Amino acid sequence: TQLLEQSPQFLSIQEGENLTVYCNSSSVFSSLQWYRQEPGEGPVLLVTVVTGGEVKKLKRLTFQFGDARKDSSLHITAAQPGDTGLYLCAGASYNFNKFYFGSGTKLNVKP
Amino acid sequence: DVKVTQSSRYLVKRTGEKVFLECVQDMDHENMFWYRQDPGLGLRLIYFSYDVKMKEKGDIPEGYSVSREKKERFSLILESASTNQTSMYLCASSLPPGTGGADTQYFGPGTRLTVL
Repeated sequence: TQLLEQSPQFLSIQEGENLTVYCNSSSVFSSLQWYRQEPGEGPVLLVTVVTGGEVKKLKRLTFQFGDARKDSSLHITAAQPGDTGLYLCAGASYNFNKFYFGSGTKLNVKP
Repeated sequence: DVKVTQSSRYLVKRTGEKVFLECVQDMDHENMFWYRQDPGLGLRLIYFSYDVKMKEKGDIPEGYSVSREKKERFSLILESASTNQTSMYLCASSLPPGTGGADTQYFGPGTRLTVL
């Protein structure tokens, strides 16, 4: 069983649509990261959220950390084909020596 | 820019062969990690190391060993490769706890290993 559950697993939408990806856990994390991975490449960090209730924006991407630091969401406004990829969330243990990854959300944005 | 490099992007090996996957980082990071990534399972931690010659088992260490003789290099060894070890292998590094940025991992491009 995954410590972090991501939903949906797959998402195929038209350019210009909005979407939200969820990352949920019953465990508390010291911080949570969102990564994007393109085929054949390693994951690249998008953002780290640390404080419960924190909201961070990165252009059209909005990231939120739950108040209890157990869950997070990623919202993309007006998706573009360049947003296509695998989105991964990861929770950091309190000693930062371990990171727990969700299984990922595969996003396809059609032109 | 942090750079994590992996020795091969693609590797094909035969069952029973000994396989070495090399990872090098250039940011003087104490922590280094090896994951495997399989569809629907996400990234699963095989081993990690928080200092030279130090290592700890992750969630799926069976069939693997690691070596960290120098700070910048972390090697993953498959003693006797099997078909169920066909996967994408990802190396990552990070700063140690207590430092700014310790919660960020930097990944290499991955090695896609096929065991026939």
